[in-house]
Amino acid sequence: AQSVTQLDSQVPVFEEAPVELRCNYSSSVSVYLFWYVQYPNQGLQLLLKYLSGSTLVKGINGFEAEFNKSQTSFHLRKPSVHISDTAEYFCAVNDDTDKLIFGTGTRLQVFP
Amino acid sequence: KAGVTQTPRYLIKTRGQQVTLSCSPISGHRSVSWYQQTPGQGLQFLFEYFSETQRNKGNFPGRFSGRQFSNSRSEMNVSTLELGDSALYLCASSFGGTGGSYGYTFGSGTRLTVV
Repeated sequence: AQSVTQLDSQVPVFEEAPVELRCNYSSSVSVYLFWYVQYPNQGLQLLLKYLSGSTLVKGINGFEAEFNKSQTSFHLRKPSVHISDTAEYFCAVNDDTDKLIFGTGTRLQVFP
Repeated sequence: KAGVTQTPRYLIKTRGQQVTLSCSPISGHRSVSWYQQTPGQGLQFLFEYFSETQRNKGNFPGRFSGRQFSNSRSEMNVSTLELGDSALYLCASSFGGTGGSYGYTFGSGTRLTVV
């Protein structure tokens, strides 16, 4: 069965510092991977996705992620965070019925 | 173009009552999925509808049901509400019959509080 593990429930970081949010997956089917962001009292917004091709995926708001098949990882990175990046981030993988399985989320807290 | 619209945004209901939530997908999207989000369980898949047919179902009791209309709008219903049903209910639409495989577009959700 497919699953997603987000290794950190919370990541505190100072403004303008780099950040990495970790995601590992388990899947027995062709892998499609996603990162979503959720601001308070909002739905989820797609940051980026990996469907195929280049393993380095660039998304919105300066985020990028790298698909690593050998390590079954899809970590999200940003070289310099802003206060407005404070939010909950979810990694997701498709399952064999085409629905998305989400991780438990990582709360990114950016401090001034 | 308009995004995914969920109504209402907030609801307060009493235990034992029933509730209906509505979702209008992005124009042209024929697949609508529903998720329940709680602090303890995270995001859990409820069901997916495509062309008015339930295509996929999660592990929720029969009190949770849904349907989709010919214009792709979807409703979900929860009968005999329990305190544990308090959650943010998210609707997501996707193009064609791919379900979530190419990514969803989410609505802002309906916050249901059961008292």
